Amino acid sequence: SQQGEEDPQALSIQEGENATMNCSYKTSINNLQWYRQNSGRGLVHLILIRSNEREKHSGRLRVTLDTSKKSSSLLITASRAADTASYFCAPGGGGGGNKLTFGTGTQLKVEL
Amino acid sequence: SQTIHQWPATLVQPVGSPLSLECTVEGTSNPNLYWYRQAAGRGLQLLFYSVGIGQISSEVPQNLSASRPQDRQFILSSKKLLLSDSGFYLCAWSGTAGSRAFFGQGTRLTVV
Repeated sequence: SQQGEEDPQALSIQEGENATMNCSYKTSINNLQWYRQNSGRGLVHLILIRSNEREKHSGRLRVTLDTSKKSSSLLITASRAADTASYFCAPGGGGGGNKLTFGTGTQLKVEL
Repeated sequence: SQTIHQWPATLVQPVGSPLSLECTVEGTSNPNLYWYRQAAGRGLQLLFYSVGIGQISSEVPQNLSASRPQDRQFILSSKKLLLSDSGFYLCAWSGTAGSRAFFGQGTRLTVV
């Protein structure tokens, strides 16, 4: 299995601004998922992008995938204080196997 | 609909005592099951992974073990807890390998 590496480790922005976080991985994938974790809670699935997709939207979320660079980005537009959480990526399948593994995440803080 | 139950939510145990954390899934069959541990402010470490009854993959050598006595039941155990076993334990399931995962609410274990 392989885990993604999120960057930056921490991000602090003002409400209304956009937040961008990145994920890099090492081997080929079938898909890549993004999850969110509020403090002290379980992870919640946000979005899954397949290896043959380049961009996907869900509400205020926009995910891109560049398989040639082995990287993905998660953009949260018009952020809100409620978006404060940790965000994790999980590369899936392909050369890394099918176990779901996670990196250390990006801790996003959205301030009023 | 599918749900996942994980209990207890919090647990304080003395060093050297045994541990049993239980996770059950409802509304699906033959799920892939996962146990993760998360240290304070850190990422998720995959501990065990199971694709079927009695099939357990251990990801890291440690003081813990896992069992899957029934299709939708996953148990994390220890015979003698160490201080280093403290952390936030999360159970998760996915329908197929590499697909979206659903997480329990977690167990906060403090070994004293």
